[in-house]
Amino acid sequence: GQQVMQIPQYQHVQEGEDFTTYCNSSTTLSNIQWYKQRPGGHPVFLIQLVKSGEVKKQKRLTFQFGEAKKNSSLHITATQTTDVGTYFCAGPRSGGYQKVTFGTGTKLQVIP
Amino acid sequence: DGGITQSPKYLFRKEGQNVTLSCEQNLNHDAMYWYRQDPGQGLRLIYYSQIVNDFQKGDIAEGYSVSREKKESFPLTVTSAQKNPTAFYLCASSHLLDRTTEAFFGQGTRLTVV
Repeated sequence: GQQVMQIPQYQHVQEGEDFTTYCNSSTTLSNIQWYKQRPGGHPVFLIQLVKSGEVKKQKRLTFQFGEAKKNSSLHITATQTTDVGTYFCAGPRSGGYQKVTFGTGTKLQVIP
Repeated sequence: DGGITQSPKYLFRKEGQNVTLSCEQNLNHDAMYWYRQDPGQGLRLIYYSQIVNDFQKGDIAEGYSVSREKKESFPLTVTSAQKNPTAFYLCASSHLLDRTTEAFFGQGTRLTVV
């Protein structure tokens, strides 16, 4: 079945450093989404990428969808303590009823 | 306000008892989902539904049951057959995948079985 892996699993950074998480799917994705889950909270939608090679920016966050539509990345420039949380990528499965597979997540800790 | 509501936020049950978690949405979404999250883990799909009176098993459906009698509601029952039910349960809803697929999550229910 489809698998969506993220690396790294954990990342500790000093405040102000950059951070990147990578998402890799075993199958081609029609689109990919990114979510952020604060400690003790629920996942919140950040963005969706649809086109091959697409790059989108949200302030200090840059999202990229790979050319083959099997991988994606989230890069945060100059991390802040408010960036703390777990970042998940998610992609739809194919065939019959469609459902979303979430990646394993990357937990980001920012040291002030 | 539009949104998705889960209740209760915390739930304690004795081993061997069935328990039902509530999920209600007023976003007019067709699709609804239940996920389980264990500490330090990702989200695993339990059940999902795209239309009233129809639902499909996810990856870890054993020991769980659902119903979708109304578009707005998708309750999850954790049965005594679930061997390790203590977890954080998240309900979500979205439009179907031929439209925007952003999923909206409820606040979650933390279930502890003692």
